[in-house]
Amino acid sequence: DTGVSQDPRHKITKRGQNVTFRCDPISEHNRLYWYRQTLGQGPEFLTYFQNEAQLEKSRLLSDRFSAERPKGSFSTLEIQRTEQGDSAMYLCASSPQGAEAFFGQGTRLTVV
Amino acid sequence: GENVEQHPSTLSVQEGDSAVIKCTYSDSASNYFPWYKQELGKRPQLIIDIRSNVGEKKDQRIAVTLNKTAKHFSLHITETQPEDSAVYFCAASTHDDYKLSFGAGTTVTVRA
Repeated sequence: DTGVSQDPRHKITKRGQNVTFRCDPISEHNRLYWYRQTLGQGPEFLTYFQNEAQLEKSRLLSDRFSAERPKGSFSTLEIQRTEQGDSAMYLCASSPQGAEAFFGQGTRLTVV
Repeated sequence: GENVEQHPSTLSVQEGDSAVIKCTYSDSASNYFPWYKQELGKRPQLIIDIRSNVGEKKDQRIAVTLNKTAKHFSLHITETQPEDSAVYFCAASTHDDYKLSFGAGTTVTVRA
């Protein structure tokens, strides 16, 4: 499969624990985006990278969230001290510069 | 920031009939408008997009229209089939970053 890959697909964690998600973009796509989607809503932008540089973070992204894209390849999204309100689908998308975004299957996070 | 509103939230049509979904946007700088289809438990998939230099684009049974003056764009699906049943999202962004602002989605049900 040469599409965007996300791991894990599902994560259940206890409130207060840290979690980390991984996204592998389509090869040679220099842009990588993270979105969050809650039930019945459209995806909401969280942050994006061009190569290894993180160019923008949404105000939705509290200090408990951090994202990296070392070497401009895969990306990780970490949530520290998870809260029940963090429960959502976390979607990653990649695109070649100036073109449409391709989404991964997402990581569904449940905080109990 | 950009605010995208989408209507209706649910749409039920008879197989063979047409479906129309409408979106409005607030940021006059937006110039890229994609539409995504998301089936239950699956990733959003791009079905068609339009850029601000054209007013209409068609791909087989799917067409999108854009009215920049009124800041609205619409998705038209003709000769609907059961496999068209899904949630459809409109989105808007600028060519600078392709950071997508999504509508809340329309659940389309095609009755056989």
